[in-house]
Amino acid sequence: NAGVTQTPKFRVLKTGQSMTLLCAQDMNHEYMYWYRQDPGMGLRLIHYSVGEGTTAKGEVPDGYNVSRLKKQNFLLGLESAAPSQTSVYFCASSYLMNTEAFFGQGTRLTVV
Amino acid sequence: GQQLNQSPQSMFIQEGEDVSMNCTSSSIFNTWLWYKQDPGEGPVLLIALYKAGELTSNGRLTAQFGITRKDSFLNISASIPSDVGIYFCAGQTGGGSNYKLTFGKGTLLTVNP
Repeated sequence: NAGVTQTPKFRVLKTGQSMTLLCAQDMNHEYMYWYRQDPGMGLRLIHYSVGEGTTAKGEVPDGYNVSRLKKQNFLLGLESAAPSQTSVYFCASSYLMNTEAFFGQGTRLTVV
Repeated sequence: GQQLNQSPQSMFIQEGEDVSMNCTSSSIFNTWLWYKQDPGEGPVLLIALYKAGELTSNGRLTAQFGITRKDSFLNISASIPSDVGIYFCAGQTGGGSNYKLTFGKGTLLTVNP
C-alpha cells in the first residue's frame, strides 16, 4: 500500500518556467489537498478538492492551478514560476472531511 | 483569516522529561489535530480530537480539545530521543467547499539523550 505518492521529489526551475506536481493516492480517498511549507510559516493550504472533478481555493492559491480529473490524482501546476514559490510542497488526502489526512513525502522546489 | 498561535516555537529537553505544547486561537474549531513531522518526511497524525473537552491519549501522548473550542494542548511524557521532530497543531472548520484546515507554525522538539 503506497499511500500518498508525490512526484518529483526535487526540482529546480528558472523564473518563468512552468511545471506540474503530481500527487497520487491509492486509498480511495475523496478529499485531496496541496500545502506549501516554508520556514517559520507552518503548512499553508494552496488548493483542495472534495471529490473527482472539483477544486477549491485554499489560503494561498495565487500563482497555482489544480486539477482533479481522476479521483486518485491531484495535480498542482505552476504556470510561470517565481522565486517566491520556492518551498516544500506536500500533498495529502483523507477519506472524509474530519478524518485523518495522510501526507506524501513532499516535493522540494527551488525557483532561481 | 484564522490563525493558530502555537507555543513554544522550540524546546530543548533531556531524555525522560515531560513536554507540553499548546495552540490557541481567537476562532472556534470543530476538530483539533496534532501532527509530527520528521526531517524529510510529511507530517504524520498523532491524535485527533472531535469534541470540546475531549481528552485523548496515544501511548505517551495526551491531547485535549479545549472547552471553548479555541485551544488545544499536547503533552508527551517520559520523552525519548525518537520524539525529536516538529509538532504541528491543526484546527478544522467548515465543510464541503467551506472546509478549512489551519496549521500552527510548529514546535521544534530536541531531546538530549
